[in-house]
Amino acid sequence: EIVLTQSPGTLSLSPGETATLSCRASQSVSSNYLAWYQQKPGQAPRLLIYGASSRAAGIPDRFSGSGSGTDFTLTISRLEPEDVAMYYCQHYGGSPPMYTFGQGTKLEIK
Amino acid sequence: QVHLVESGGGVVQPGRSLRLSCAASGFTFNNYGMHWVRQAPGKGLEWVALILYDGTNEYYADSVKGRFTISRDNSKNTLYLQMNSLRAEDTAVYYCAKDLGECSGGRCYFMFGMDVWGQGTTVTVSS
Repeated sequence: EIVLTQSPGTLSLSPGETATLSCRASQSVSSNYLAWYQQKPGQAPRLLIYGASSRAAGIPDRFSGSGSGTDFTLTISRLEPEDVAMYYCQHYGGSPPMYTFGQGTKLEIK
Repeated sequence: QVHLVESGGGVVQPGRSLRLSCAASGFTFNNYGMHWVRQAPGKGLEWVALILYDGTNEYYADSVKGRFTISRDNSKNTLYLQMNSLRAEDTAVYYCAKDLGECSGGRCYFMFGMDVWGQGTTVTVSS
């Protein structure tokens, strides 16, 4: 079973800065199977990125994903107060299908 | 507008059963796989189960296998989660979510993610 480890646990930045969130897999995975979600306090999660780098519908281009193999990154540029949230990476593993989430990174805006 | 609405949550004693429902609207329900994902209080997200677009196959997390059953009624655009032998560790907000990939006209376009989520329904297992 693949384990996803996200870092840092908490990230505190100022408006306008760039956030870099990491997701590391315990073994190499296909980038097709890597997604990122945003969960604001009291809300359901929202899909940001799928296939490691494709933005979901309606997601601003301030959000971008990259990476391959075991190391994946979510980058949020020009931070806004509304970006305060937990961010989770997720991996799909086949045969049989199962989905694994990382433990999350909390983004705070100073 | 694409919409998912969960219902059926509540407080239940350990060992008892509960059935959750998820009503879908705004999209062709029978073209998409559907998931249940849960979140224990103050914790992260945990995938629970997936059912394929036509209901032919179901997949479960090890933590619920043999106790939970996912099903769907495509004529009613509704997803279900039957939860038996409930434990305290099943206490969580349960979300239904639509799979990103689509199957239509005998062809499937596989993309991996969950692009629409409900607002969640809370299940508390306590004596």
